[in-house]
Amino acid sequence: GAVVSQHPSRVICKSGTSVKIECRSLDFQATTMFWYRQFPKQSLMLMATSNEGSKATYEQGVEKDKFLINHASLTLSTLTVTSAHPEDSSFYICSARGGRGGEDSPLHFGNGTRLTVT
Amino acid sequence: QKEVEQNSGPLSVPEGAIASLNCTYSDRVSQSFFWYRQYSGKSPELIMSIYSNGDKEDGRFTAQLNKASQYVSLLIRDSQPSDSATYLCAVERGDDKIIFGKGTRLHILP
Repeated sequence: GAVVSQHPSRVICKSGTSVKIECRSLDFQATTMFWYRQFPKQSLMLMATSNEGSKATYEQGVEKDKFLINHASLTLSTLTVTSAHPEDSSFYICSARGGRGGEDSPLHFGNGTRLTVT
Repeated sequence: QKEVEQNSGPLSVPEGAIASLNCTYSDRVSQSFFWYRQYSGKSPELIMSIYSNGDKEDGRFTAQLNKASQYVSLLIRDSQPSDSATYLCAVERGDDKIIFGKGTRLHILP
């Protein structure tokens, strides 16, 4: 089955520093990648959608200058949390799909990144 | 109205019984629907996807879709303790984005 690799799985950083999270589709070309954030006992909240070669579209309330998304190739998207603060501590999950939706392209998830900002 | 609504539970079901999970959605043009299972601290994993009205069966799992009522459900037959998890309903909106409900916590009683 389709595999999405996400790294790192855990990261602890100091307040004010930046953290980069990578998401790779290993055996398919991901035309669209989605970045979600999940706080404890909450559901996945969509942060942004990235399409290869174009700017990401952000959901309402998500700061695009704080959460930088790059989708430079069909197999790699990165999320950079800039100037991280303790309230950014969360579980960040990327997901990818190969087609334009429908039966040929379900969503495949990475294993997530647990970010802790001290 | 929230885009995807689920009862948060917990839903407690005896081992061997049928667990029934429900979900409603607000975007009438949605065409793709998914059920994911998430264990604590882990990423969601796809259980079922459904795109047409009616039932779709895969092993112990049956997804049901009624677009007229904007309703999706998941039935788990012969429930096992390993089925204890949070089940997330996800709906693809008309803009191709996939939105999740808050999830239903399912607890299978041994």
